[in-house]
Amino acid sequence: DTGVSQDPRHKITKRGQNVTFRCDPISEHNRLYWYRQTLGQGPEFLTYFQNEAQLEKSRLLSDRFSAERPKGSFSTLEIQRTEQGDSAMYLCASSKRQGSTDTQYFGPGTRLTVL
Amino acid sequence: AQRVTQPEKLLSVFKGAPVELKCNYSYSGSPELFWYVQYSRQRLQLLLRHISRESIKGFTADLNKGETSFHLKKPFAQEEDSAMYYCALLILTGGGNKLTFGTGTQLKVEL
Repeated sequence: DTGVSQDPRHKITKRGQNVTFRCDPISEHNRLYWYRQTLGQGPEFLTYFQNEAQLEKSRLLSDRFSAERPKGSFSTLEIQRTEQGDSAMYLCASSKRQGSTDTQYFGPGTRLTVL
Repeated sequence: AQRVTQPEKLLSVFKGAPVELKCNYSYSGSPELFWYVQYSRQRLQLLLRHISRESIKGFTADLNKGETSFHLKKPFAQEEDSAMYYCALLILTGGGNKLTFGTGTQLKVEL
């Protein structure tokens, strides 16, 4: 499977714990995105990388959240001191601009449950 | 502010009936719109994008800038079309793009 992969697929944690998710983009894609999806809503943008540079962060991304893409390949999203409100599906997407368009391809997501 | 509105949470049609999933947007720039679909227990996947003017699985969508709409249509619904459909608007941002999604419409095709 050469699509976007995410690990783990499910994570259950207790409030106050730290969690880290990993995303592996499609190999030739230099752009990587993180989104969050809660029940009954569409995905909401969190942050964006072009190669290893983090170029934009949403105001949804509080200071408890940090994302990295150290070598411009895989990315990690860490949530510190988790809260019940962090329970959601975390989606990763990647893209490579081709001509005038930029189509994002999504991973299967990591479902986080904070007890 | 940019926004995507999908007014129907659930749309139920009979097999063979026409389908129209509504999507309206607001954006001050030049819009680039997509439809994504999520089948049960599968990842979000691209269905079609307005810039390609393509028909995928019998679905089409036309961008109407006057009505700020990008409705998804199919003349004859099939059972396998049952899924969650999301309309998304591509927003230009610092050095890249981000997608703004609607809340989605669950399409149920009944026999």
